[in-house]
Amino acid sequence: QVQLVQSGAEVKKPGASVKVSCKASGYTFSDYHLHWVRQAPGQGLEWMGWINPKSGGTNYAQKFQGRVTMTRDTSISTAYMELRRLRSDDTAVYYCARALYRSRGGFDAFEIWGQGTTVIVAS
Amino acid sequence: DIQMTQSPSSLSTSVGDRVTITCQASQDISNYLNWYQQKPGKAPKLLIYDASNLETGVPSRFRGIGSGTNFTFTISSLQPEDIATYYCQQFDTLPLTFGPGTKVDIK
Repeated sequence: QVQLVQSGAEVKKPGASVKVSCKASGYTFSDYHLHWVRQAPGQGLEWMGWINPKSGGTNYAQKFQGRVTMTRDTSISTAYMELRRLRSDDTAVYYCARALYRSRGGFDAFEIWGQGTTVIVAS
Repeated sequence: DIQMTQSPSSLSTSVGDRVTITCQASQDISNYLNWYQQKPGKAPKLLIYDASNLETGVPSRFRGIGSGTNFTFTISSLQPEDIATYYCQQFDTLPLTFGPGTKVDIK
C-alpha cells in the first residue's frame, strides 16, 4: 500500500541541525511532490515547503528560507528535510506528506502523510 | 500570505447532530481549498479536496462547499469517531496555509 515512513524522534541542542527522512513505498516516488509540514505542541499545522522528487526542485516558505534544505535520493525513494540553527520554538512534530495529484506542481492537497517525527530542541 | 480563519474554534455537541464549520480566506482562492481531520497523536487525514470533492473512502456524512473566500464544512450526523480537530488549507498561493483549526467534541 502507499505509505510514507519517517525516521525516529530526535533531541537536539539549540544551534544544532536535524535531518529527518521520509521513505516512500507503494507508488512511483518521482511522480508526486512531497511536502513538509510541522506542528508545534498544541498548535496548528504549518507548511514548510515542497520538493519535486523528479527534478529535485524545491520551494520553501519564506519563514524557513536559509535554514531549511529539502533533498531526495530517488534510488531509495527517500526525501529528507534538514533544518539548521535550531531554536526552542522549532520543537514540533514534522510530517512529510505526498501531493494528491501528479500534475499540479505542488499546489495541491496532502493525500498521504508520514507518521510524524518529533524533534525536541532543548539545552 | 493568505490568512485562513475558521469558526468556531471549538464546539461541543451531541452524537447525531449536524456540525458546521466555516473557513474564510483573506483573498479569493477560487476552489483551491482542502479539509483535514486530525485526531490526537495522529497525522492529519484528507477528507475534502478542491472545496467539495470527497476523498476516496471518506464517509458521505462529510461535505464541503464554497468558493472565493467563504467555505463551509459539514458533518451531517456526528459520530463518536468524528471527535477531532478539523483544518482548512488553501493551495491557491504560496505559502500554502492552514486555518487555525476547529476542535469538535461530544457533549
